Amino acid sequence: ETGVTQTPRHLVMGMTNKKSLKCEQHLGHNAMYWYKQSAKKPLELMFVYSLEERVENNSVPSRFSPECPNSSHLFLHLHTLQPEDSALYLCASSQEAHLNEQFFGPGTRLTVL
Amino acid sequence: DQQVKQNSPSLSVQEGRISILNCDYTNSMFDYFLWYKKYPAEGPTFLISISSIKDKNEDGRFTVFLNKSAKHLSLHIVPSQPGDSAVYFCAASGVNTDKLIFGTGTRLQVFP
Repeated sequence: ETGVTQTPRHLVMGMTNKKSLKCEQHLGHNAMYWYKQSAKKPLELMFVYSLEERVENNSVPSRFSPECPNSSHLFLHLHTLQPEDSALYLCASSQEAHLNEQFFGPGTRLTVL
Repeated sequence: DQQVKQNSPSLSVQEGRISILNCDYTNSMFDYFLWYKKYPAEGPTFLISISSIKDKNEDGRFTVFLNKSAKHLSLHIVPSQPGDSAVYFCAASGVNTDKLIFGTGTRLQVFP
């Protein structure tokens, strides 16, 4: 595997379900990000992890819970989501020394019923 | 309040002609700007960037121009090719941060 991978690519869940999104980067980067892309809106930064520590939480509801067990893996745990949370969730990574060039995964298309 | 704006949601250009995608920003602390390209069912991919100390950066068919006084940047693609058809996102960042602020994107369609 190369670059940034995300699983699953598609997810449909009910409002009472608990699920997790997984991201893995094979680039040796030390920063990872979760973004949300809703229709006709800019990419919204959700969380930033740098050296496995959360350095940014953009006022994201607690029903989204990130986890970064090591510099290569990032999870987004989901529980009791709402239909308006349906969106494309993108993971990205960067090497801090390389100013802001972030590499994105293909995203997980989430639908909440 | 959106700090990075792409006011044209879509653009249609004939193959071989120039495509010009525009982006405006409001935060004068931004000092690094990037363009990303996104195909359907794929994540955004980095295309080209420019630092605020420069006003132009060129990479093959792609050139980014930065006008700091107007807080405006543009991406020129020449000649445009059908494979350039995608959504283009402008992004900006401030000093000493990995946080990128994205625009809403412009869908470019290059037709034969």
